[in-house]
Amino acid sequence: DAGVTQSPTHLIKTRGQQVTLRCSPKSGHDTVSWYQQALGQGPQFIFQYYEEEERQRGNFPDRFSGHQFPNYSSELNVNALLLGDSALYLCASSLSDFDTQYFGPGTRLTVL
Amino acid sequence: TQLLEQSPQFLSIQEGENLTVYCNSSSVFSSLQWYRQEPGEGPVLLVTVVTGGEVKKLKRLTFQFGDARKDSSLHITAAQPGDTGLYLCASRGGYNFNKFYFGSGTKLNVKP
Repeated sequence: DAGVTQSPTHLIKTRGQQVTLRCSPKSGHDTVSWYQQALGQGPQFIFQYYEEEERQRGNFPDRFSGHQFPNYSSELNVNALLLGDSALYLCASSLSDFDTQYFGPGTRLTVL
Repeated sequence: TQLLEQSPQFLSIQEGENLTVYCNSSSVFSSLQWYRQEPGEGPVLLVTVVTGGEVKKLKRLTFQFGDARKDSSLHITAAQPGDTGLYLCASRGGYNFNKFYFGSGTKLNVKP
């Protein structure tokens, strides 16, 4: 049984560019959450998707947007990249919101 | 916003020593989770505590939930180099149950 997978593993972009990160949830899971983890910090909640809709959002600007597909996979899009967007982006899946979250290995984004 | 404060931020000890890390909040936790994260990987759930005063053991790890459910501790007995990693506590937001908040973590290094 495959766990949560994320792609790509690493990504380098320049300021002002746009990026799309992808997440495939653990088999049977319908809820996907995205987190940003800056170096030396704990993960910060970006948003959560359930039934293809954004159910809850953290304190992130509108430059951060997402999508969930009918197969429960999800994308995180970041527009107009800033240097401060450099971080590890983590995806977590769960069966409903109340269940244990399982994290993927993350995508390391570097903005130059 | 439910803030989780973890202490200490960094801990470097010799193999065989004992240690305790703490997680505190000004708010009451509905439940609290402890994760361990190794470099290049996502956080892995160690335990969930729900009831005030609860104590859970996982081999050499002992987790305690405060009676008032506003604090928690993780005690490691006879630490081993394999325990090295970032230890994170996390909880759901008070009225915003769909948001998940992490502490900033305790970075543990166990030297052989």
